[in-house]
Amino acid sequence: NAGVMQNPRHLVRRRGQEARLRCSPMKGHSHVYWYRQLPEEGLKFMVYLQKENIIDESGMPKERFSAEFPKEGPSILRIQQVVRGDSAAYFCASSPPSGGGVSYEQYFGPGTRLTVT
Amino acid sequence: GQSLEQPSEVTAVEGAIVQINCTYQTSGFYGLSWYQQHDGGAPTFLSYNALDGLEETGRFSSFLSRSDSYGYLLLQELQMKDSASYFCAAAKRGYNKLIFGAGTRLAVHP
Repeated sequence: NAGVMQNPRHLVRRRGQEARLRCSPMKGHSHVYWYRQLPEEGLKFMVYLQKENIIDESGMPKERFSAEFPKEGPSILRIQQVVRGDSAAYFCASSPPSGGGVSYEQYFGPGTRLTVT
Repeated sequence: GQSLEQPSEVTAVEGAIVQINCTYQTSGFYGLSWYQQHDGGAPTFLSYNALDGLEETGRFSSFLSRSDSYGYLLLQELQMKDSASYFCAAAKRGYNKLIFGAGTRLAVHP
């Protein structure tokens, strides 16, 4: 059973370009979460998605950032017109259906390290 | 509001025992998870406490006191490979997401 997969592992973009980060959850997992981590800091929640639905985007910046989890294919975190402050590690996590409970155990991918020059 | 406080750094020697504390202020608190992250790596799940008391998993144990809004991770028989960052994370009732602390960097020395 493959783990959570993210690609690319490293991404370099110039200011003003777009960044697309992909995440394939573990098999059987229907919940996907995106987190951002700055150096020497903790993980900051960005967005929680289920297939074709954004459940909670309270941690997502209002502008330039968007996320989707289509019926087919990976979840995508899209950052438009990147700025230097977007440089960070972006982690995707997934969890199985929680049956109405809380997904306290999340499985993380290796992350995408975005560098904006 | 919601916040979790944990020490930024802890140092210990091989074979010793170390305790990493976490205090939280989280409305609708449901439970406390712990994750380990090595430099450049992904966070990995260690343990979870929904109820007060101690949960033991091998060399690692985690404790929760809801009345004190406090928990800790206990690492025994420390090994060099335990050098990593450790994060406590609060699960909120009704929200399927985790709120992470800033992390404690553990350095294990020979």
